[in-house]
Amino acid sequence: KAGVTQTPRYLIKTRGQQVTLSCSPISGHRSVSWYQQTPGQGLQFLFEYFSETQRNKGNFPGRFSGRQFSNSRSEMNVSTLELGDSALYLCASSGGTAGNTIYFGEGSWLTVV
Amino acid sequence: GENVEQHPSTLSVQEGDSAVIKCTYSDSASNYFPWYKQELGKGPQLIIDIRSNVGEKKDQRIAVTLNKTAKHFSLHITETQPEDSAVYFCAASSFLSGNTGKLIFGQGTTLQVKP
Repeated sequence: KAGVTQTPRYLIKTRGQQVTLSCSPISGHRSVSWYQQTPGQGLQFLFEYFSETQRNKGNFPGRFSGRQFSNSRSEMNVSTLELGDSALYLCASSGGTAGNTIYFGEGSWLTVV
Repeated sequence: GENVEQHPSTLSVQEGDSAVIKCTYSDSASNYFPWYKQELGKGPQLIIDIRSNVGEKKDQRIAVTLNKTAKHFSLHITETQPEDSAVYFCAASSFLSGNTGKLIFGQGTTLQVKP
């Protein structure tokens, strides 16, 4: 059974640009959540989607947004990138026979220059 | 607000010794407590979890204990091996209506197992 798949794995963007990251959850999982990981702030919750609806949101500015498609795949978008947005962005999924157990992908490494 | 404190931030042990990492949570509604292991360049890997209706859970060399009254939970690794070296994160979540995907993480513990 495939795990949580995130693309791209690595990317470099320039300040002011925008970026879109993609996540395919484990088959059968309907909940997808996103986290930001930085050395200074650790792992912080961004938002969660379930059945194409945002169910939960963390304390991040409106530049961070996401969506979920009918096949449970999800994307997150960051607009007007800032240097401080450089981080590992992690996607996690849960649901199905796994219940509430949350599994993470390998992450997308974003560097803003 | 919701908060999880994790100690120690670094832990160095000799191969074969035991390692213990402790976490304290603030939200009394928390009822799910997973532990993740993160190796360099990889995403967090779930190693064990416990729910609030259970006080202890074991899986081979790994065990987790939960004290709901004190809002403490701990990870115990016995017979440590060099491949246990990684960063370990505790987390807490409240599975109240609509809150299943949100984990509050501790700051992480860097475990070094010396051969």
